[in-house]
Amino acid sequence: DTGVSQDPRHKITKRGQNVTFRCDPISEHNRLYWYRQTLGQGPEFLTYFQNEAQLEKSRLLSDRFSAERPKGSFSTLEIQRTEQGDSAMYLCASSREEGAGGYTFGSGTRLTVV
Amino acid sequence: AQSVTQLDSQVPVFEEAPVELRCNYSSSVSVYLFWYVQYPNQGLQLLLKYLSGSTLVKGINGFEAEFNKSQTSFHLRKPSVHISDTAEYFCAVSGNFNKFYFGSGTKLNVKP
Repeated sequence: DTGVSQDPRHKITKRGQNVTFRCDPISEHNRLYWYRQTLGQGPEFLTYFQNEAQLEKSRLLSDRFSAERPKGSFSTLEIQRTEQGDSAMYLCASSREEGAGGYTFGSGTRLTVV
Repeated sequence: AQSVTQLDSQVPVFEEAPVELRCNYSSSVSVYLFWYVQYPNQGLQLLLKYLSGSTLVKGINGFEAEFNKSQTSFHLRKPSVHISDTAEYFCAVSGNFNKFYFGSGTKLNVKP
């Protein structure tokens, strides 16, 4: 069990550029979640996958955001045409199907849009 | 939908003193309750959870929490804190484990 890995840890980008983050969940976990955490706030749900199927998306996930989980393994979160308001910590988590054990979170990717 | 309120944004306390971090939730359905801890520049780590059964749940690092359905609360307690407990603590609620609703966090600052 190597935990949930996120890459990169930090990303600085210019407004209008596209960025992509990667998350590698715990291997036996078939659920994968994306959350966004802004300064001084708790994490907010963005979307989650069960295996390769994206089952729910938050209204926070505008059409500039897209998430994928090909083959039910790692996941990517892409933000197109970044805006300063996208600056946040993007957290990935994974769990077993029933989720009752709680999530295991990665260390996050901190995005700064300048 | 569910929501969580953590009334105290910051709690200063001296080392070896007891501490209580407050969490109240709102929900129209039965919920499951969690406390997570976040150290600087790190992800969240599960401290403890209430799913069913005994309303007093014990977690890691000597923390415990009590579920009070009538008061819709799930306060976190520790009888004697250490410097290493300095971190931000998040209360979370979920109705079906598909997504969690987190509070805005409480920063615990343990002073020597």
